[in-house]
Amino acid sequence: AQSVTQPDIHITVSEGASLELRCNYSYGATPYLFWYVQSPGQGLQLLLKYFSGDTLVQGIKGFEAEFKRSQSSFNLRKPSVHWSDAAEYFCSGGSNYKLTFGKGTLLTVNP
Amino acid sequence: DAGVIQSPRHEVTEMGQEVTLRCKPISGHNSLFWYRQTMMRGLELLIYFNNNVPIDDSGMPEDRFSAKMPNASFSTLKIQPSEPRDSAVYFCASSYNYVYTFGSGTRLTVV
Repeated sequence: AQSVTQPDIHITVSEGASLELRCNYSYGATPYLFWYVQSPGQGLQLLLKYFSGDTLVQGIKGFEAEFKRSQSSFNLRKPSVHWSDAAEYFCSGGSNYKLTFGKGTLLTVNP
Repeated sequence: DAGVIQSPRHEVTEMGQEVTLRCKPISGHNSLFWYRQTMMRGLELLIYFNNNVPIDDSGMPEDRFSAKMPNASFSTLKIQPSEPRDSAVYFCASSYNYVYTFGSGTRLTVV
């Protein structure tokens, strides 16, 4: 079955530290992959997407993600976290119209 | 562009009452989705429309739920009768070329 897994439910980092949020997918073929961010009381905002081509994709707010076929992973990274990055992050994937979302990773940023 | 517009933002209703959630997608987006978000189950796809036609409603929990899209600029999700277990945040999203834009959601509380 198609699935997206985010192994970390909650991550805490200090402001200025680097960040990596993990995402693993299970699809028969390479899916379209996305990272979304959700602030409290808000909808999901697209950070970046991967369809094909260059496996390192750049997104908004200084985020990037790398598609690794051998590891079935699409991890989200940011070199220096800001307090405003505190939110919940969702990885999602789809091979057609239907996106499957991970359970989300809640990011807390300590001052 | 005003984005995907959902109304109401919050709805509190008594068990057994009919609830109607509304969504205005982004102009030009040919796909519309209704999702439900809960702590226990995360984001679940309820129904998907393409060019105003329901394509996949396999996620609709039961017959109490129905959705319509009478034209390209409007969709409704109706619950009748509502039950406490329907309490959740309901998101509408529209998409073009697999890029989803989410509304801010309707927080439904059934008491």
